[in-house]
Amino acid sequence: DTGVSQDPRHKITKRGQNVTFRCDPISEHNRLYWYRQTLGQGPEFLTYFQNEAQLEKSRLLSDRFSAERPKGSFSTLEIQRTEQGDSAMYLCASSYPRDRKQVNTEAFFGQGTRLTVV
Amino acid sequence: LAKTTQPISMDSYEGQEVNITCSHNNIATNDYITWYQQFPSQGPRFIIQGYKTKVTNEVASLFIPADRKSSTLSLPRVSLSDTAVYYCLVGGDQAGTALIFGKGTTLSVSS
Repeated sequence: DTGVSQDPRHKITKRGQNVTFRCDPISEHNRLYWYRQTLGQGPEFLTYFQNEAQLEKSRLLSDRFSAERPKGSFSTLEIQRTEQGDSAMYLCASSYPRDRKQVNTEAFFGQGTRLTVV
Repeated sequence: LAKTTQPISMDSYEGQEVNITCSHNNIATNDYITWYQQFPSQGPRFIIQGYKTKVTNEVASLFIPADRKSSTLSLPRVSLSDTAVYYCLVGGDQAGTALIFGKGTTLSVSS
């Protein structure tokens, strides 16, 4: 168990470019979450997958953001036409409820991808 | 989703016990209370979770009164390495419910 892995750790991009981040959850974890965090704020929920199904997407997530988890394992988060306001830490987390009744399972977070849009 | 309210910051000295209280007045019957810790440039880390009364693990204790409208995270004998942001989360795992973080409490431990 190597924990949640995110790649890259840092990304600098020019405004208007597209960027894609990858998250590898802990093996067999069926839930995967994406968050965005800016300085001094708590992680802001973006979207959530149960296996390959995207079950919830924040209203704050503009159409420029898209996330996939095609085989229910790793996930990608793409930001199109980046803006300076997209500069943040993007965090991924995964969890594994032992049954569907289990509530608020412990989530394991990766170290994040820090995006800087210049 | 139940909203949580925590102090923005707290200060302490090494060796003291620290208690961080979180208010969640409209907690739902199915909601659990979970605390996470976050160090700079790292993702949050699960500390403890509870539903009612008291929960204790090797890191902390969580006290939840009968009405469950608040909870208190207790850190015994803090050290400098406990300086971090602490988040209180309230929520269940019903379909569509995700982990929602507030602004957290920044704990500063001094020597």
